[in-house]
Amino acid sequence: GAVVSQHPSRVICKSGTSVKIECRSLDFQATTMFWYRQFPKQSLMLMATSNEGSKATYEQGVEKDKFLINHASLTLSTLTVTSAHPEDSSFYICSAPGGGVDEQYFGPGTRLTVT
Amino acid sequence: KQEVTQIPAALSVPEGENLVLNCSFTDSAIYNLQWFRQDPGKGLTSLLLIQSSQREQTSGRLNASLDKSSGRSTLYIAASQPGDSATYLCAVNLGAAGNKLTFGGGTRVLVKP
Repeated sequence: GAVVSQHPSRVICKSGTSVKIECRSLDFQATTMFWYRQFPKQSLMLMATSNEGSKATYEQGVEKDKFLINHASLTLSTLTVTSAHPEDSSFYICSAPGGGVDEQYFGPGTRLTVT
Repeated sequence: KQEVTQIPAALSVPEGENLVLNCSFTDSAIYNLQWFRQDPGKGLTSLLLIQSSQREQTSGRLNASLDKSSGRSTLYIAASQPGDSATYLCAVNLGAAGNKLTFGGGTRVLVKP
């Protein structure tokens, strides 16, 4: 099946700094990618849809100026958490649709801890 | 707004027993439904995808059924093994806006040897 990678897998940063997370489709092209956030023992909540060559669309309640998304190529989307706060600590997962039947493929996730 | 519910939230069974995981959704106009497995601290592994026109999908010991009219899907895992211990998530795709998924809360499964 299609493979999606994320980097880094874990990151610890200080409050007030910015962190960039990369999501790559390794063996297919993705004009659309999705970014999710998962808090401990909770399900995935969609944050935004990343669109190659155009602006991302954000879900209600997600601050677009805080969570910057750039989809610069057909295989790479980046999520930058700006001015991170401890409440931004979470598990961030990206996905991309691949294949002819619209199956979603997920990355391994990035654990962000803000101290 | 689509809402997805999974019951039970947690399940513990002895090895060898069959598992039955339930997923319900409020908007029956879905494009497809997907079942995932998530191990602690890991990403999601796709298990089965059911298109809206299908009634079920099977892969090995896994079988997923879909009843759109009643807004339900069930994942069956036959002859459970300790390695099946994980959280199982269902997600529905309404097909609009580029295949966004709405997830249920998940069912945490523990298979005891």
